[in-house]
Amino acid sequence: QVTLRESGPALVKPTQTLTLTCTFSGFSLSASGMCVSWIRQSPGKALEWLARIDWDDDKYYSTSLKTRLSISKDTSKNQVVLTMTNMDPVDTATYFCARSIVYCDSGVCGWLDSWGQGTLVTVSS
Amino acid sequence: DIQMTQSPSSLSASVGDRVTITCRASQGITNFLAWYQQKPGTGPKVLIYAASTLQAGVPSRFSGSGSGTDFTLTISSLQPEDVATYYCQKYDSAPYTFGQGTKLEIK
Repeated sequence: QVTLRESGPALVKPTQTLTLTCTFSGFSLSASGMCVSWIRQSPGKALEWLARIDWDDDKYYSTSLKTRLSISKDTSKNQVVLTMTNMDPVDTATYFCARSIVYCDSGVCGWLDSWGQGTLVTVSS
Repeated sequence: DIQMTQSPSSLSASVGDRVTITCRASQGITNFLAWYQQKPGTGPKVLIYAASTLQAGVPSRFSGSGSGTDFTLTISSLQPEDVATYYCQKYDSAPYTFGQGTKLEIK
């Protein structure tokens, strides 16, 4: 059974750096094709994809946020860490992590098949 | 970047109705398209992947179609438990953009 759980501060001040951790079980991020993404959702708004890290350490970022984001993994701890610099009140959101697999029989793979419950981060002074 | 546009943004229908939500990509994405359902206070759940493949365990009243730039999610007979917000997402290449969502309510 695949599970993911997000953790991090509930409150950060403007200009601070946010560090979030996704701790997962039921799969290994060292296995070929495994990937973990971060997605956020501002209150009442749509889902916004932020970043993805792959089993081979390839990394992908949102075009609009790539200067502020960094994603990394610790395979031995089954964790993926997202950092976002220069936080602003508009970054207040629930942050989710989710798994995808990019190798499959059909070749049309990479959807987000397992999600965490999300963690709410409020940016306020 | 490729943009994903969903319509309508909200929808009210009666139990038993056939419901259709559309998603349009600004450029072709072949069939690298997934549909997710999100109920309040929970993380999204995948319903459809590869544009038309039903995720295991998802009721057969849900179906997806389309290829290239135009995609459709259909609920053949709306049930009360289908009240949720629905999102499409492209996953052919980064960035893996979501549509803006369709909020579905019961009339």
